[in-house]
Amino acid sequence: GAVVSQHPSWVICKSGTSVKIECRSLDFQATTMFWYRQFPKQSLMLMATSNEGSKATYEQGVEKDKFLINHASLTLSTLTVTSAHPEDSSFYICSADKGLAGGFGTDTQYFGPGTRLTVL
Amino acid sequence: GDSVTQMEGPVTLSEEAFLTINCTYTATGYPSLFWYVQYPGEGLQLLLKATKADDKGSNKGFEATYRKETTSFHLEKGSVQVSDSAVYFCALRESTGNQFYFGTGTSLTVIP
Repeated sequence: GAVVSQHPSWVICKSGTSVKIECRSLDFQATTMFWYRQFPKQSLMLMATSNEGSKATYEQGVEKDKFLINHASLTLSTLTVTSAHPEDSSFYICSADKGLAGGFGTDTQYFGPGTRLTVL
Repeated sequence: GDSVTQMEGPVTLSEEAFLTINCTYTATGYPSLFWYVQYPGEGLQLLLKATKADDKGSNKGFEATYRKETTSFHLEKGSVQVSDSAVYFCALRESTGNQFYFGTGTSLTVIP
């Protein structure tokens, strides 16, 4: 099967610090990865789409300088929350797509288990 | 814009009961529709999908029919098991591009 991992699963940090979350596809190459944010009792909200070797595409309203995304290899994408504040506390979920780079993805996205960020 | 509205939970059922989780959508064009399931401590997994009107997706005893006239994709199972306890998400993928829109999720607990 296709497995996606996230690390860490839970992180607590002080306000003003930066936090890096990793998303890895363990047994397949993912040309496209997605980052979502989920608030309690709300939908998953797409934050950005990252393609290996190119800049991420951010959704409207998502601050690029706040949420830095790097997709340096076909198996790893990272999300760095810079200068985190309590309002950034949330559940961050990544997913990976086996689709072809530059084209539409496949219908199946493989999700990581999520990372819970708590900013004090 | 595109959106998905999902029945709120939590839902608690006895084993072997009939399950329905309602999902309706708003979309321009002809989206694909999905149900994802998230078991405790795990990532979302694709449960079933339908890519055009009147298609029925089915898997593990669950099924859902793409109803364009009512813009719905309700999830059903005739006889639930304890192992079906999870959070279920309805989602759509727009007909152009990669973006998925998710419902809020419905927590299902099945008791013996």
